[in-house]
Amino acid sequence: KQEVTQIPAALSVPEGENLVLNCSFTDSAIYNLQWFRQDPGKGLTSLLLIQSSQREQTSGRLNASLDKSSGRSTLYIAASQPGDSATYLCAVVSSNTGKLIFGQGTTLQVKP
Amino acid sequence: DVKVTQSSRYLVKRTGEKVFLECVQDMDHENMFWYRQDPGLGLRLIYFSYDVKMKEKGDIPEGYSVSREKKERFSLILESASTNQTSMYLCASSFDRYGYTFGSGTRLTVV
Repeated sequence: KQEVTQIPAALSVPEGENLVLNCSFTDSAIYNLQWFRQDPGKGLTSLLLIQSSQREQTSGRLNASLDKSSGRSTLYIAASQPGDSATYLCAVVSSNTGKLIFGQGTTLQVKP
Repeated sequence: DVKVTQSSRYLVKRTGEKVFLECVQDMDHENMFWYRQDPGLGLRLIYFSYDVKMKEKGDIPEGYSVSREKKERFSLILESASTNQTSMYLCASSFDRYGYTFGSGTRLTVV
């Protein structure tokens, strides 16, 4: 059974710092991996989608990497800002079931 | 951009009521999904649909049903609402498996 783990559960950093969020999954049979952002009480906003054949994707200050063989992904946020404060969720689409499986998320606080 | 619209942001219903949560997407996606999100439990899949009039159970379908009469609309039905169904409900759609788009969520409180 596919399991997705995100470490750390919570992170607090000063503004301007570069940071890395980690995601690991137990089964490398995935179609893709997606990073989402969720603000309190709101829905999920897609940040980056990495197909299984890709190694990384970039959007602005965000860079996501994927190492399928080792079951790991990272989300790198450059020059963090208070507006980046949110919960970041990693999710994979399992090749076996076709279902989207989520990690528990990392709650990020960027202090001014 | 794909838009997934959930008709209500907040709902308060009484125990035993029949509750309808509506979700509409505007990009002709075949696949639609209903999740619920609870603190400490994360997102859990309730039901999903790969086509009109087609539905499949997710991980926690008990107490719920769904309807998909048109491609763009996927409804979640709570047949007899109970307090343990108080939660955030999230709808999503996708084209094949190329990324999911989520709605803004419905916070349902059952009293």
